[in-house]
Amino acid sequence: GAVVSQHPSWVICKSGTSVKIECRSLDFQATTMFWYRQFPKQSLMLMATSNEGSKATYEQGVEKDKFLINHASLTLSTLTVTSAHPEDSSFYICSARGATGDTQYFGPGTRLLVL
Amino acid sequence: RKEVEQDPGPFNVPEGATVAFNCTYSNSASQSFFWYRQDCRKEPKLLMSVYSSGNEDGRFTAQLNRASQYISLLIRDSKLSDSATYLCVVFNQAGTALIFGKGTTLSVSS
Repeated sequence: GAVVSQHPSWVICKSGTSVKIECRSLDFQATTMFWYRQFPKQSLMLMATSNEGSKATYEQGVEKDKFLINHASLTLSTLTVTSAHPEDSSFYICSARGATGDTQYFGPGTRLLVL
Repeated sequence: RKEVEQDPGPFNVPEGATVAFNCTYSNSASQSFFWYRQDCRKEPKLLMSVYSSGNEDGRFTAQLNRASQYISLLIRDSKLSDSATYLCVVFNQAGTALIFGKGTTLSVSS
């Protein structure tokens, strides 16, 4: 199957700093990328959907000024958590979908711990 | 009503047992349904898509009941390696993104 990578796989940072997470589709062109967040023992919650070259669509309750998403190319999307706080500590997972088909391919996730 | 609801679990079964998970969804217009598997601290991985006629993949059988907006997953002859969280997934109202259920945890013991 298709491969999606995320970097970094884990990050620990101080409260107030910004953290950037990269999501790359390695062997296909991802016209749409999705960002999810998962808290312990909870389901994956969709944060936003981004299409290459256009602004991301955020789900209700997700602050677009806090979670900046950029999808500048067909193989790369970034999520920047600005001014991170301890409550932002979570497992962030991206997924990517090509131009055809329903299948989404998930990245391995990034664990963020904000101290 | 939540978009996707699943059995609360956890399910603790011995090796060789047959176990069934249920899921209901709220969007009657949904066309695509999936079961994903998620291991602890890992990303979810597609287990199987769910088709209207039902489908089988080895020990796994998925069924869809559109009238009741109900999806099921049956696992026969459980293996230790089946221990994981099973996520019921449907497309959102707009048909553009996946919506995940909370998941049902399965623990298979020897």
